[in-house]
Amino acid sequence: EIVLTQSPGTLSLSPGERATLSCGASQSVAGNFLAWYQHKPGQAPSLLIHSASKRATDVPDRFSASGSGTNFTLTITRLEPEDFAVYYCQQYSSLLYTFGQGTKVEIK
Amino acid sequence: GQVVQSGDEVKKPGASVKVSCKASGYSFSSYGMSWVRQAPGQGLEWMAWISGLNGRSQHAQKFQGRVTMSTDTSTNIATMELRSLTSDDTAVYYCARRSPLGLDVWGQGTTVIVSS
Repeated sequence: EIVLTQSPGTLSLSPGERATLSCGASQSVAGNFLAWYQHKPGQAPSLLIHSASKRATDVPDRFSASGSGTNFTLTITRLEPEDFAVYYCQQYSSLLYTFGQGTKVEIK
Repeated sequence: GQVVQSGDEVKKPGASVKVSCKASGYSFSSYGMSWVRQAPGQGLEWMAWISGLNGRSQHAQKFQGRVTMSTDTSTNIATMELRSLTSDDTAVYYCARRSPLGLDVWGQGTTVIVSS
């Protein structure tokens, strides 16, 4: 099983600031089949990024992502009020999918 | 595409629960379905997936022997059954379409409460 470790656990920032979230994998994520999801309370998660760096449909361009192998990053360039949420990375390169434990982006 | 899940459930310990996902607006056989759960105060946990084409499935090791997935291609419904429930299975269960992009279409969530 590929273990994903996200850091930090919580990020306290103000609107307009830049957020940088990390996701590390215990082994290489083949094909860079790594996704990022946004999850708000009371809602279903939503796909933000697939294939490590490709924005999903209708995702604003303030969201970007990069990485390969075992190290991946999600960046939100200028936080909007609606961006405060929990973000999860997930690998789908293995038949057994796994999620990271999540990073909460909260208002400072 | 859209995924609509079955309703909330309350179960007693030791019972079983089925969470169904009805797909619409896309070709059911061209995608799979996955189940993800979130226990209170916890993160997302991947449970299983099933192919809409051939019924092939995989599940996380921790659910070995307790989980079964199935599909009905005549109604475009995928179903996950979890048996021998304990209070640790209390969670919101999500269905999500399995695609080359990851889990790209999510259901609304089904709350399962396990309580005596």
